Amino acid sequence: DAKTTQPNSMESNEEEPVHLPCNHSTISGTDYIHWYRQLPSQGPEYVIHGLTSNVNNRMASLAIAEDRKSSTLILHRATLRDAAVYYCILKEANQGGKLIFGQGTELSVKP
Amino acid sequence: GAVVSQHPSWVICKSGTSVKIECRSLDFQATTMFWYRQFPKQSLMLMATSNEGSKATYEQGVEKDKFLINHASLTLSTLTVTSAHPEDSSFYICSARGGVTYGYTFGSGTRLTVV
Repeated sequence: DAKTTQPNSMESNEEEPVHLPCNHSTISGTDYIHWYRQLPSQGPEYVIHGLTSNVNNRMASLAIAEDRKSSTLILHRATLRDAAVYYCILKEANQGGKLIFGQGTELSVKP
Repeated sequence: GAVVSQHPSWVICKSGTSVKIECRSLDFQATTMFWYRQFPKQSLMLMATSNEGSKATYEQGVEKDKFLINHASLTLSTLTVTSAHPEDSSFYICSARGGVTYGYTFGSGTRLTVV
C-alpha cells in the first residue's frame, strides 16, 4: 500500500477554516484518496474521498494536487466537535479492499 | 445511513479467559468486515478481514488461533480473544463496507481490559 505522510498535530481556532495536508508521493493511478476521522474513544468515521478532481460534501472539501502527490482536507469552519485524529488513506479502487491507517493528524480546536 | 453496532462497548475479564466481541451491520448486508486493534495514542492496526461463509484472512503477525473470527451471516461477525492476557488489553474496532455507495462504516469500538 502506498504511504501517506501527515503532520502529527495541528491547532485551530473555533469558527476558522482548517487545512489538513497529506503527502502521498508514491500514489498510483488507481488509488483513491480517502479521509476518515476518529473522535476520542470512538471508531473512525468517513469524511470524504476523491480520485483526481476536488470534492465537496457537507462535512468538508478535498483539494487534490494536479500531480496527485498531495491533498488537503479543508474544514470550512472548525467547531469544537471537529477535534479528532484525521487520517489520510490511499486505497485501490477494488470493491473489497482493506483500509490501512497511518498515524494521522491530531487536530485540536481552541474556543 | 449505514450503522455498524459493536457489543460490548467495554469488558473486563480475568487473565486466561476468553472474550467474544460482536459486530453487526444493522441496516445493510456486509459480505466483508474488518477487525482492527488500537493501543493508546496509536493508530488502528488491521488484524483480519472477515468474509461471510469462509475463513478469515489474517494480517501478518496476528495469531489466528488466539483471535478467532466467525462471520456466519451477512450481518454478523464475531471476534473471540482466547486465553486473554494483559497484553491483549486494547481497543478493538470492526468495520464493514456497504450500506452507502462509498466508504466504510465503523463500529464504536470495544475496550478490553484483561486483569
